[in-house]
Amino acid sequence: DAKTTQPPSMDCAEGRAANLPCNHSTISGNEYVYWYRQIHSQGPQYIIHGLKNNETNEMASLIITEDRKSSTLILPHATLRDTAVYYCIATRFGNEKLTFGTGTRLTIIP
Amino acid sequence: GAVVSQHPSRVICKSGTSVKIECRSLDFQATTMFWYRQFPKQSLMLMATSNEGSKATYEQGVEKDKFLINHASLTLSTLTVTSAHPEDSSFYICSPRQAANYGYTFGSGTRLTVV
Repeated sequence: DAKTTQPPSMDCAEGRAANLPCNHSTISGNEYVYWYRQIHSQGPQYIIHGLKNNETNEMASLIITEDRKSSTLILPHATLRDTAVYYCIATRFGNEKLTFGTGTRLTIIP
Repeated sequence: GAVVSQHPSRVICKSGTSVKIECRSLDFQATTMFWYRQFPKQSLMLMATSNEGSKATYEQGVEKDKFLINHASLTLSTLTVTSAHPEDSSFYICSPRQAANYGYTFGSGTRLTVV
């Protein structure tokens, strides 16, 4: 898995868009970018993944730079329930072993 | 789909006793099961990988005789922490896989406290 770097913590106002960056400058051509989140005292929850095109689902959008060295997870209208630790993982599609880094602790402020 | 049930959610046990954690895939068959643990204020660390009907593969530093994994069916896997000690207190999380390219689902976790 390529090494990923994320800011340790971020705050975002409720109702605003939360933009979480991730650096993965050594990502290889067959590695996808995955995002998970972990709400306190729960198991991780899959959010989204992508290879090189931007992706959107009901939870979030994923913007991957053209050189694929970084990406941004966007929660368009953050709510208090989005407070969690967000993990960015770069790995091969279907890789069974996920390596979790330290993630970004996102706090949504009322 | 991809519903996972893990229990107990929380358990307190005395030092020296054993604790069993169950992980069930309710609407799919899990050919592979991953077990993670998470110490306070740390990230998840993979402990072991098991395939249905075969022995588990443990990550470096994880004692296979202490953390017994049974994956006898495609819908149930158990992790037994034997002779638990306070340093085994942690958050244990299962993650069943339906097939190699499917499913990134996790159980809700079990918080084990050994006193």
